[in-house]
Amino acid sequence: AQTVTQSQPEMSVQEAETVTLSCTYDTSESNYYLFWYKQPPSRQMILVIRQEAYKQQNATENRFSVNFQKAAKSFSLKISDSQLGDTAMYFCASLSSGGGADGLTFGKGTHLIIQP
Amino acid sequence: ETGVTQSPTHLIKTRGQQVTLRCSSQSGHNTVSWYQQALGQGPQFIFQYYREEENGRGNFPPRFSGLQFPNYSSELNVNALELDDSALYLCASSFGTSGGYGETQYFGPGTRLLVL
Repeated sequence: AQTVTQSQPEMSVQEAETVTLSCTYDTSESNYYLFWYKQPPSRQMILVIRQEAYKQQNATENRFSVNFQKAAKSFSLKISDSQLGDTAMYFCASLSSGGGADGLTFGKGTHLIIQP
Repeated sequence: ETGVTQSPTHLIKTRGQQVTLRCSSQSGHNTVSWYQQALGQGPQFIFQYYREEENGRGNFPPRFSGLQFPNYSSELNVNALELDDSALYLCASSFGTSGGYGETQYFGPGTRLLVL
């Protein structure tokens, strides 16, 4: 079984600042995938970034990047030049690539507030 | 490209009733996963359908059941509704070559179910 822990229930930063959201996970799988999803008040879960565990290079998507530390089982999300539209719940999730479809395992989320 | 859609957006039922929620997968996707998101929590995996067969299930009782149709749309059925079934139900679709292992899941806007 996989577990995902997000230790920051809420964070607040000023617009244009850089913010880092923390995530740790636990898995017995040798190969797996990690994701960050954003859920604004509209409720729709939107993919922010994806990381394949066998790749050492950290994934980046425009202003969003991750710090993937496989040995420490840590997967933090960095948002640069934060914008008001980044205000949302952010969920870290893991997905096994082994046999059996277990679905995504989510953390409890971090509520990120970008202040003007 | 059409995204994932869900219907209805909101639903109110009474305890003991049955409910059916619907999901249309993103074009080109053949796998549908369902999640339950209680208020203030991360989504929890209910089950996944690949090529019209259930190929993975989370820790949910048998009164949660589903279907997938030849066009890859899906239904989630919940019998004997309980108060704790009140939640946001999310559907996610993906493209799998062997049953949902590691593929990125794209979410619909969800159905908010309230059980009174």
